[in-house]
Amino acid sequence: GEDVEQSLFLSVREGDSSVINCTYTDSSSTYLYWYKQEPGAGLQLLTYIFSNMDMKQDQRLTVLLNKKDKHLSLRIADTQTGDSAIYFCAASGAGSYQLTFGKGTKLSVIP
Amino acid sequence: KAGVTQTPRYLIKTRGQQVTLSCSPISGHRSVSWYQQTPGQGLQFLFEYFSETQRNKGNFPGRFSGRQFSNSRSEMNVSTLELGDSALYLCASSPGQGVRELFFGEGSRLTVL
Repeated sequence: GEDVEQSLFLSVREGDSSVINCTYTDSSSTYLYWYKQEPGAGLQLLTYIFSNMDMKQDQRLTVLLNKKDKHLSLRIADTQTGDSAIYFCAASGAGSYQLTFGKGTKLSVIP
Repeated sequence: KAGVTQTPRYLIKTRGQQVTLSCSPISGHRSVSWYQQTPGQGLQFLFEYFSETQRNKGNFPGRFSGRQFSNSRSEMNVSTLELGDSALYLCASSPGQGVRELFFGEGSRLTVL
């Protein structure tokens, strides 16, 4: 089955850019998602990308997809303390809402 | 527009009991999925429903079951609770039919003693 891997921790200074990386194994994964989870809360959808796209930008967020290497990244520009959270990468096939999640990357923003 | 609503938010049960969790999707959404989140296993898929039909089921024992009603509300049930069932249970909804946004509720945190 699908496996999604992420590094567990990332620490950046306020104002810098953060880059969170993710790799997946199933080349048939069609949609790739980024979610944010703050303590005690559910998952907040940040963005998603279709596998035929290389890049998607939404305000401070940029998603890059390298389909050949099955590598996905999320760049957060001008990182703020409010961005401190756990970020999950997830993958799904075309005909299903069954998402396979990574273990999450805990982003700590240093003031 | 109201988000995904899950009830109850917190509950404590003892081993051997059963529990029912409820999820009201965003108005107009017909697809509902359930996930279990634990510190050890992370987020794992339980079920996916669309228009009252179960479309997919994750790798969980038969003690875990679910259903969806005609108004798209969904419930999941866990029977004969075990300590390892302690988790945050998350429900997600989507309009379905090709729309890919999947929105999660705040979850129901189950503690089994």
